[in-house]
Amino acid sequence: GENVEQHPSTLSVQEGDSAVIKCTYSDSASNYFPWYKQELGKGPQLIIDIRSNVGEKKDQRIAVTLNKTAKHFSLHITETQPEDSAVYFCAATGNQFYFGTGTSLTVIP
Amino acid sequence: NAGVTQTPKFQVLKTGQSMTLQCAQDMNHEYMSWYRQDPGMGLRLIHYSVGAGITDQGEVPNGYNVSRSTTEDFPLRLLSAAPSQTSVYFCASSYSADTQYFGPGTRLTVL
Repeated sequence: GENVEQHPSTLSVQEGDSAVIKCTYSDSASNYFPWYKQELGKGPQLIIDIRSNVGEKKDQRIAVTLNKTAKHFSLHITETQPEDSAVYFCAATGNQFYFGTGTSLTVIP
Repeated sequence: NAGVTQTPKFQVLKTGQSMTLQCAQDMNHEYMSWYRQDPGMGLRLIHYSVGAGITDQGEVPNGYNVSRSTTEDFPLRLLSAAPSQTSVYFCASSYSADTQYFGPGTRLTVL
């Protein structure tokens, strides 16, 4: 099956700085790569996604890049705000979803 | 729309007891899934369904049963609870095999 690795496991940034979270995957058949944000006590919520025929996608302060050759994709958050503090999960999917182990992001005011 | 709902929110069981975690969605989604979330291990797929009457195993299916008699409901059954099943359980639904919508979760403790 698919193996998704996510780094770093924890990340602290100053408010206004950028945050980058990276994931790698093993199955070249995976074709959909979503990112989820999970706040304390809640279920994960989709924040952005990218498909295998696209290299980059941006939505306001959030962007995702995909390198299919290297089998890695990254989440970029610019101008971070305290409300960005949460756990972020990447996932890779073909027939099933495989999640990374999560990154706990803390934005320090 | 209520989205994806899960009951109960919290549950404590003794080893060997059985119970059913309920999941319902009102978005007419064909795909539904159950995940467990454990510290440091992310979300792992237990079982999933691509439509009423169709279910399949995920990454960690042992100790769990599912059925899908209607589009709306996808219950998860623990036949004989074990301490290793202490976890937070999330149900999710989607229109197709991509964007998933998660419920609020059930926190289960097995003593």
